[in-house]
Amino acid sequence: QSALTQPPSASGSLGQSVTISCTGTSSDIGSYDYVSWYQQHPGQAPKLMIYEVNKRPPGVPDRFSGSKSGNTASLTMSGLQTDDEADYYCGSNIDNTVVFGGGTKLTVL
Amino acid sequence: EVQLVESGGGLVQPGGSLRLSCAASGFTFSGYAMHWVRQAPGKGLLWVSRVNNDATTTNYADSVKGRFTISRDNDKNTLYLQMSSLRAEDTAVYYCARGRGGAWYYDYWGQGILVTVSS
Repeated sequence: QSALTQPPSASGSLGQSVTISCTGTSSDIGSYDYVSWYQQHPGQAPKLMIYEVNKRPPGVPDRFSGSKSGNTASLTMSGLQTDDEADYYCGSNIDNTVVFGGGTKLTVL
Repeated sequence: EVQLVESGGGLVQPGGSLRLSCAASGFTFSGYAMHWVRQAPGKGLLWVSRVNNDATTTNYADSVKGRFTISRDNDKNTLYLQMSSLRAEDTAVYYCARGRGGAWYYDYWGQGILVTVSS
């Protein structure tokens, strides 16, 4: 069960945009629209931000968007706010297991 | 309002056992698959196990297969994780989460419960 690959850190200025990548293989991300994204603030449970590559759950601002190209999925956050500073994890159903990326710590400058 | 509340965590010695529970409310529990996900201190998320809505199918991460057993009681709206032969590397916050669709994404999570394996 190989992990998905995320950059350990990312940063962006208030009001600007930032994109976090999540790289898998042609057997997982490349083959299925199963990528989800979670936001986790310190000491809190993760929160679903994006599911099935680009769908937003109710209540998630449209500043958050997801996409996929080949074996890489991406989470883009526009109009960065201070509360966006958190850890972000991608996840995917791979062969009836769930594999997460290692997480990306987003810093809002 | 959907709520998932874990209980049963604590300190256990290596080789010991522990059973976690997750009480669900605010939705039709028997209609959803449920999962356990854990997070070691300062580390990332790691999927542990899944049980489908009627408990006929279970799945496990290789790291816990043969040691952990997931189960559910749909009459009591409760999810369980029986953990045995515990190791130091099982130390983590354990979350229960409601699974959705073929993508197995999680729209609701519990607050998490800490399990510490140490002598």
